[in-house]
Amino acid sequence: GDSVTQMEGPVTLSEEAFLTINCTYTATGYPSLFWYVQYPGEGLQLLLKATKADDKGSNKGFEATYRKETTSFHLEKGSVQVSDSAVYFCALSNTGFQKLVFGTGTRLLVSP
Amino acid sequence: DADVTQTPRNRITKTGKRIMLECSQTKGHDRMYWYRQDPGLGLRLIYYSFDVKDINKGEISDGYSVSRQAQAKFSLSLESAIPNQTALYFCATSDHRGDKNIQYFGAGTRLSVL
Repeated sequence: GDSVTQMEGPVTLSEEAFLTINCTYTATGYPSLFWYVQYPGEGLQLLLKATKADDKGSNKGFEATYRKETTSFHLEKGSVQVSDSAVYFCALSNTGFQKLVFGTGTRLLVSP
Repeated sequence: DADVTQTPRNRITKTGKRIMLECSQTKGHDRMYWYRQDPGLGLRLIYYSFDVKDINKGEISDGYSVSRQAQAKFSLSLESAIPNQTALYFCATSDHRGDKNIQYFGAGTRLSVL
């Protein structure tokens, strides 16, 4: 079945450092890919998405590019802030049914 | 006010008790979902409903039941709670008329079964 694999955390960075969180997927067909973010004490919220190969999703300085050849959707940000500390989930949704399959989540801790 | 509201936010119960978690939404969405979140396991789908008359099991439905009382309300029940149901539970919604792949989450219910 469909699955998503994320790098284990926590990822610990200093403010203004470069961030990469790796995500790879296994799926039949042509899934849509997502990054959701969960801030402390809150539910998940959509950060960005991409629906086809080579699409780049972006939001709040975060970016991720849909790479079909490597089945990857890595999350990047050029300069993280303390307020970016959260848990980040990679997810996919395959055609025909709008069910999300989540990765295990990666906790990001940013220190001043 | 939150668009997707879960009650209670926290609950402690004992093994064998029946418990209900409630979810209501003001987004006008037709689709609703229940997930549980466990450390190291991410979110796993328990049940989902595409409209009031449509209820479907997710990947981990054993030990749970649901009721879609109205388009805006979707409740999750644990008929006889057990300790390994201790988890963070999330309700989510989506809209088949919009981007069906985007789900909107409530703030979660933290459940502890002693």
